[in-house]
Amino acid sequence: QVQLQQSGADLVRPGASVNLSCKALGYKFIDYEMHWVKQTPVHGLEWIGVIHPGSGGTAYNQKFRGKATLTANKSSSTAYMEFSSLTSEDSAVYYCTREVISTVVATSYYFDFWGQGTTLTVSS
Amino acid sequence: DIQMTQSPASLSASVGETVTITCRASGNIHNYLAWYQQKQGKSPQLLVYNAKTLADGVPSRFSGSGSGTQYSLKINSLQPEDFGSYFCQHFWGTPYTFGGGTKLEIK
Repeated sequence: QVQLQQSGADLVRPGASVNLSCKALGYKFIDYEMHWVKQTPVHGLEWIGVIHPGSGGTAYNQKFRGKATLTANKSSSTAYMEFSSLTSEDSAVYYCTREVISTVVATSYYFDFWGQGTTLTVSS
Repeated sequence: DIQMTQSPASLSASVGETVTITCRASGNIHNYLAWYQQKQGKSPQLLVYNAKTLADGVPSRFSGSGSGTQYSLKINSLQPEDFGSYFCQHFWGTPYTFGGGTKLEIK
């Protein structure tokens, strides 16, 4: 069955970078765009960006441009998000999620599967 | 960018009651709206997409409606497993913004 397995929780120092991973299981990785979402109690859910694993094409929320870099490894069916120059504001739970784009009956867009989330704590 | 305003932020209700959560978009999103439920410590789960289409396995007591800029999620006859947080999200072009969330608690 479809699963998105995310890397484990991480504690990192301010100023450092971190590379979060999301391994796709149970479906053809290159057929679905992968999105990343940030969740905090203050700001709720925030869309970070998207990568098309087949082409490597990306799009970012302006807020996270320069902060987040999305990549994908087709051979291992794994998506990655590198987060750089970390501050306490980057402490959050990060999710990867798969987008369905369907035209079966009507054009539909939605996130059907989500990873379990990675808790990132930025602290000295 | 499209902004999503969700209300109420919190809601207290009893088992068996009917509740409605609303989302207002800052521009026409042409029914490209999804609703998710999230339990504490868990990932969001899809409930509704295209404003009114129930996702597979979602009970029929959930229903979505709306058009243009105004959308609603209605839960009939609340069950104990329905308590948690609910979010709307638009898909009318990136960034795909979310509503601020509604925390549904047991009265």
